[in-house]
Amino acid sequence: AQTVTQSQPEMSVQEAETVTLSCTYDTSESDYYLFWYKQPPSRQMILVIRQEAYKQQNATENRFSVNFQKAAKSFSLKISDSQLGDAAMYFCAYRSAMGGSEKLVFGKGMKLTVNP
Amino acid sequence: NAGVTQTPKFQVLKTGQSMTLQCAQDMNHEYMSWYRQDPGMGLRLIHYSVGAGITDQGEVPNGYNVSRSTTEDFPLRLLSAAPSQTSVYFCASSTIGRPQHFGDGTRLSIL
Repeated sequence: AQTVTQSQPEMSVQEAETVTLSCTYDTSESDYYLFWYKQPPSRQMILVIRQEAYKQQNATENRFSVNFQKAAKSFSLKISDSQLGDAAMYFCAYRSAMGGSEKLVFGKGMKLTVNP
Repeated sequence: NAGVTQTPKFQVLKTGQSMTLQCAQDMNHEYMSWYRQDPGMGLRLIHYSVGAGITDQGEVPNGYNVSRSTTEDFPLRLLSAAPSQTSVYFCASSTIGRPQHFGDGTRLSIL
């Protein structure tokens, strides 16, 4: 079974600075997807970024980018120019690309605080 | 376009009561699923469905029932509520191979 580990339960960053959230995962599969979700206090689950394992190029979405290291099974999220609205819980998630499986496996999450 | 709609948003139950959490999506998505979120545990999959008439168990299915009679609806039933089922419940849907859309969640407290 696949597992996702977020080892840092909390982090803080100063507004306008850069922060990196770490995530590691364990799988025996070669084809899969990785995601970062943001959950603000409103409780919504918001997709931040998505990475396909077969793509070597790291995904980027505006101020958000990932460092995907397939061999190391590492998938970190970098937030540049942090804003107060980035304060939230962040979840790393894994999904197999095999057999039409849509099941998401989540890490335990990390609380990000942004200080003004 | 409403997306994924969950009702109710909050509910308090007594131990032993039954209830149904409703989930509806208007995007014609084949895949629907239910997760529960507990403090420090992330989201865990309860049940899922890949289409009308097809359901399967996830990681934590005990105490819950589901059915999928239409593409749009995927209700989650608690047959006999227990305090251990106090949690926040999320419904999600997607087209196969695409990112999942989540509802706003239902906060359920069982006394």
